[in-house]
Amino acid sequence: QVQLQESGSRLVKPSETLSLTCTVSESLSSGGYTWRWVRQPPGKGLEWIAYTSHSGRASYNSSLKSRVTISVDRSKRQFSLKLSSVTAADTAVYFCARGPDSGYFDSWGQGILVTVSS
Amino acid sequence: DIQLTQSPSTLSASVGDRVTVTCRASQYIDIWLAWYQQKPGKAPRLLIHDASRLQSGVPSRFSGRGSGTEFTLTISSLQPDDFAVYYCQQYHSYTWTFGQGTKVEFK
Repeated sequence: QVQLQESGSRLVKPSETLSLTCTVSESLSSGGYTWRWVRQPPGKGLEWIAYTSHSGRASYNSSLKSRVTISVDRSKRQFSLKLSSVTAADTAVYFCARGPDSGYFDSWGQGILVTVSS
Repeated sequence: DIQLTQSPSTLSASVGDRVTVTCRASQYIDIWLAWYQQKPGKAPRLLIHDASRLQSGVPSRFSGRGSGTEFTLTISSLQPDDFAVYYCQQYHSYTWTFGQGTKVEFK
């Protein structure tokens, strides 16, 4: 059973950059899986943010694309998210997740609440 | 982007009821749809993928049907552990979207 764990800053000031890392219990190259970030504002639904393959191929939600970067560090079994120029609207629980290449999300981290506030 | 619309938004039911949640896609997505269950303070849990394939470890009272643009999730006999929010999610292309969620609450 793969384990995913989010870490990073839980409080970010407006206009600054949100940075999160997901540490995975298995190799990022195993099983043909790919790696994603999803967020959920308090009391609201789920929003996919970004996707990466183990080789670094990336895809982004068009509504966030200008502010988002996803990256991979295979040696550390980690992938990361950066979201720039944050506002209060970016306050959410951020989840990292795994899934087959173009598919569903079969394993999730527990989530990390990030609050944007001065 | 492909939009997913779930109905109803809230469903009130009792233990033992058969319940059905519908998810409609704004364009054709073949069978590329998954269903998730989410409880308060927890990550979503994958129930069904490829519209009708039960994820390993998920009870057989959960089932999914559909293709194209209309899909359903059915719980054949609602159990106390099933009161939660359910989301559909499409993966027709390398952009993923979720439905807005259906809350199954105790009647």
